[in-house]
Amino acid sequence: GESVGLHLPTLSVQEGDNSIINCAYSNSASDYFIWYKQESGKGPQFIIDIRSNMDKRQGQRVTVLLNKTVKHLSLQIAATQPGDSAVYFCAENGGGTSYGKLTFGQGTILTVHP
Amino acid sequence: EAGVTQSPTHLIKTRGQQATLRCSPISGHTSVYWYQQALGLGLQFLLWYDEGEERNRGNFPPRFSGRQFPNYSSELNVNALELEDSALYLCASSLGGQINQPQHFGDGTRLSIL
Repeated sequence: GESVGLHLPTLSVQEGDNSIINCAYSNSASDYFIWYKQESGKGPQFIIDIRSNMDKRQGQRVTVLLNKTVKHLSLQIAATQPGDSAVYFCAENGGGTSYGKLTFGQGTILTVHP
Repeated sequence: EAGVTQSPTHLIKTRGQQATLRCSPISGHTSVYWYQQALGLGLQFLLWYDEGEERNRGNFPPRFSGRQFPNYSSELNVNALELEDSALYLCASSLGGQINQPQHFGDGTRLSIL
């Protein structure tokens, strides 16, 4: 069935380090992926997205990599800052009858130490 | 530009009652989505509305229903409330009629069932 999961539920880094958050997905028909950041008491905030016809996309301090062969997605955050501390979710759109529906992973807690 | 707004912020009900949650999308967005974020279960897709029509539905019982108004705002109604309905209910919006557009979330309504 469709599922999106995360390898690491928690990640602790020092300020200034680069962070990598990983995500595995099982639906090979998924054609669109999004990373969200959720801070305490707030809704998920869009970070970056990638379509299945791409394998890399860069934003401001963030890069998303997509490996369709092994169904793996990662979010890289450069020069991590304390303000990056939050829960990070990957989400997929499976297309077809799942069109419009995002399936979310369980989330990774990122803690950045000053 | 205002983001997705949801009301009320908090809602306390008792078992068997009915709850109504409201959402205003980002200006120009015609698609509205509802998700449930329960403790330990992550974000689960509930409903998707576009141009006033229900387009997709998640694995929730029929007592979860909603509608979208001509101004694209939306309501989520939950009847016969049960204790396990306690959760954060998140609304998201996106540009409608376009494939694979990012969904942007509000900060949610915290529903507590006593």
